Amino acid sequence: GAVVSQHPSWVICKSGTSVKIECRSLDFQATTMFWYRQFPKQSLMLMATSNEGSKATYEQGVEKDKFLINHASLTLSTLTVTSAHPEDSSFYICSAKKRGAPETQYFGPGTRLLVL
Amino acid sequence: KQEVTQIPAALSVPEGENLVLNCSFTDSAIYNLQWFRQDPGKGLTSLLLIQSSQREQTSGRLNASLDKSSGRSTLYIAASQPGDSATYLCAVDKAGNQFYFGTGTSLTVIP
Repeated sequence: GAVVSQHPSWVICKSGTSVKIECRSLDFQATTMFWYRQFPKQSLMLMATSNEGSKATYEQGVEKDKFLINHASLTLSTLTVTSAHPEDSSFYICSAKKRGAPETQYFGPGTRLLVL
Repeated sequence: KQEVTQIPAALSVPEGENLVLNCSFTDSAIYNLQWFRQDPGKGLTSLLLIQSSQREQTSGRLNASLDKSSGRSTLYIAASQPGDSATYLCAVDKAGNQFYFGTGTSLTVIP
């Protein structure tokens, strides 16, 4: 159990368009989901924390109007990159905390975004 | 702010060797320390999770130790195989909150 999926796994888009990435907990309820970003040759950095039914908390330096996060249910969080630019090209990974077992997190497989 | 450092940044060993990867963190008030494997262009695979009350965890050829007071963890890989080639990341969290990741050790096992 405790599987997290992300969709899409790969996305290529033109500069100026918006891209939505989904993070789903398939077999458990996720009270909190985290969104990380990984640039080439760098480690993962937290972008934002989202709790079901409330606004996301963004890390310093992450534009909340550019990276829209919606945690509408206990199994789904979405990250929308609005007006994407080439510098937004990155690997985006989500993780989820399981209701009743908050001490561990389960990571999704990641979404690779390439903005042309 | 928690900082996680991994040494070495890259490591190349012949098949069959035992090896040790190091991870250090600046704030010892952690809840979990987790080792992950990341293959090129792929997501994270959790290898071992050590809770703050534990000192080590073992899974197959992998053994991870944790010395919370000194802010260090090691990942020991026995009898390395070419399939072990990947980037290994360690990460720490505080009471189940966000993870702070190290920059990783890129391992190449030469057949």
